[in-house]
Amino acid sequence: EVQLVESGGGLVQPGGSPRLSCAASGFTFSYFAMHWVRQAPGRGLEYVSTISSDGFRTHYANSVKGRFTISRDNSRSTLFLQMGSLRADDTAVYYCARDLGVPAAPLDFWGQGALVTVSS
Amino acid sequence: DIQMTQSPSSLSASVGDRVTITCRASQYISNFLNWYQHKPGKAPRLLLYAASTLQSGVPSRFSGTGSGTDFTLTISSLQPEDIATYYCQQGYSSPVFTFGQGTKVEIK
Repeated sequence: EVQLVESGGGLVQPGGSPRLSCAASGFTFSYFAMHWVRQAPGRGLEYVSTISSDGFRTHYANSVKGRFTISRDNSRSTLFLQMGSLRADDTAVYYCARDLGVPAAPLDFWGQGALVTVSS
Repeated sequence: DIQMTQSPSSLSASVGDRVTITCRASQYISNFLNWYQHKPGKAPRLLLYAASTLQSGVPSRFSGTGSGTDFTLTISSLQPEDIATYYCQQGYSSPVFTFGQGTKVEIK
């Protein structure tokens, strides 16, 4: 059974730098590109970042570029999101998701999400 | 950036009704369009990808059509468990992609 479990969320002060983790199981992690998607309170889903299966290619939404870093450890089947210079509008539930690996980039499995609240 | 516009933003329908949600892209995206169901506190669920391909395990009352810029998600007979917010997502600009703003479906 495919499972994605996020951790590392919580209450963070403005300007803080938490790191989210996403532990994957039930599939060969190193075969799949992975993504982070977030949902701010009362808002819709928003793309955050992508990393290729080998970890060599990364992409970011303009809203987080230069502040967030996506990475992965294929030996530990874990995805990371290093967040930095956090602002109030980064408050959201952060989901990790697996790329199905076909054209159109559908995300076929998602974690339950990790809430990050940016507040002093 | 490719913008995705869904309509309506919310709807209320009776059990057994046919429900249609539309999604329009700001530019041509071929059939690179996916649909998700999202219930509060749950992980989003992939329903259809490449506009019309039903994801494994998804009931056949869900269907999708469209190509180019205009797409439709149809629930042929609304069930109580279908209460959720539905999102379209374009993958044409993959690996960066965008979602529609969502359509909240409620039972009348």
